Amino acid sequence: DQQVKQNSPSLSVQEGRISILNCDYTNSMFDYFLWYKKYPAEGPTFLISISSIKDKNEDGRFTVFLNKSAKHLSLHIVPSQPGDSAVYFCAASAETSYDKVIFGPGTSLSVIP
Amino acid sequence: ETGVTQSPTHLIKTRGQQVTLRCSSQSGHNTVSWYQQALGQGPQFIFQYYREEENGRGNFPPRFSGLQFPNYSSELNVNALELDDSALYLCASSGYTGELFFGEGSRLTVL
Repeated sequence: DQQVKQNSPSLSVQEGRISILNCDYTNSMFDYFLWYKKYPAEGPTFLISISSIKDKNEDGRFTVFLNKSAKHLSLHIVPSQPGDSAVYFCAASAETSYDKVIFGPGTSLSVIP
Repeated sequence: ETGVTQSPTHLIKTRGQQVTLRCSSQSGHNTVSWYQQALGQGPQFIFQYYREEENGRGNFPPRFSGLQFPNYSSELNVNALELDDSALYLCASSGYTGELFFGEGSRLTVL
């Protein structure tokens, strides 16, 4: 049973517009959430994270929103750029094991120039 | 600062064979985690090693085993290979912050 779900396998967005990637989780023990970005032939790289004590974390063009009651988080990219085209993985971990990260299946984002 | 390196990058095996994948952790990192990423899926946690001891394991059978060496490099061994073992195997190292730094992966094809 998948504990971290990303129900959109792919997303296409026009350059300059907002990209919104969604993620749902089922395990109530998760209290730390991360987004990773992966280009072909490379390993995933950390993008942004949020602790469960917050509902928003912003880093430049990237903002992550957390709705604990709905067990839902989203990643917003504004404005989207062609270089953002990649697979984005939502991931989660629990306080007892912050580096044992559970990944979702990923969403492939294409930013069209 | 040297990043995480994995070898080999690609390999092909046949069913029933055994495979060893290797990972050199990033300088200063004492924890190594291994993940399996099947096609179209996210990375699945196999196990983690901390200071040469297994420190957590995901839902993988015992034929998946590992080692960590005194220099914190690591090996993933898979015995009795099955077709479904075909995947990208990712190694990640982490230090005191817990942030994972991934290598580029070893792509295993089982025929």
